[in-house]
Amino acid sequence: NAGVTQTPKFQVLKTGQSMTLQCAQDMNHNSMYWYRQDPGMGLRLIYYSASEGTTDKGEVPNGYNVSRLNKREFSLRLESAAPSQTSVYFCASSDLWGASKRNGYTFGSGTRLTVV
Amino acid sequence: AQSVTQPDIHITVSEGASLELRCNYSYGATPYLFWYVQSPGQGLQLLLKYFSGDTLVQGIKGFEAEFKRSQSSFNLRKPSVHWSDAAEYFCAVNNMKTSYDKVIFGPGTSLSVIP
Repeated sequence: NAGVTQTPKFQVLKTGQSMTLQCAQDMNHNSMYWYRQDPGMGLRLIYYSASEGTTDKGEVPNGYNVSRLNKREFSLRLESAAPSQTSVYFCASSDLWGASKRNGYTFGSGTRLTVV
Repeated sequence: AQSVTQPDIHITVSEGASLELRCNYSYGATPYLFWYVQSPGQGLQLLLKYFSGDTLVQGIKGFEAEFKRSQSSFNLRKPSVHWSDAAEYFCAVNNMKTSYDKVIFGPGTSLSVIP
């Protein structure tokens, strides 16, 4: 089925460990996003990539890095995990830069990360 | 700064009852407006959207929403709730004037449905 695929679905890390969350979309979308979801705070944008080859910081980028590997893939890396990064992470994608405003996002099913 | 508020953190309704979820936004101009639904353990799914024209918009699963410019509101409604509607609902806005499509989400309203 077409959509956004995130791996892994669950992960437990020890403080200081690193990991990369993977995201891939097969809808030929130009823009991709990483959000984190915390109780009572809705979704907060970590990083986004408006198009292949570009990335920009969102609302809460500290402690994260991203790579837009190609048009399909957008990964999120935690270099030294901290308990404050315990959250559910969602990847999303959208179509044309401007037109996507009207169509909203397509979301992956999320990665539940716990840092102990 | 732009913001989205959903005044109700949690709502409980009986199956078959009507539903209204509130959403207010703070923007300099008319934004694009969205409602998303998130079932437990799932990602967000788009329910409906508004960007111009008729202020009453229809979405999937029998939902509708009404844009009221004077109240800066975009409330979600359903005439008869089904048990499967139990989920988290997010209102979102998108700035029409910036050069990138950054979406701002509200904090969400959790809906419980009593059989």
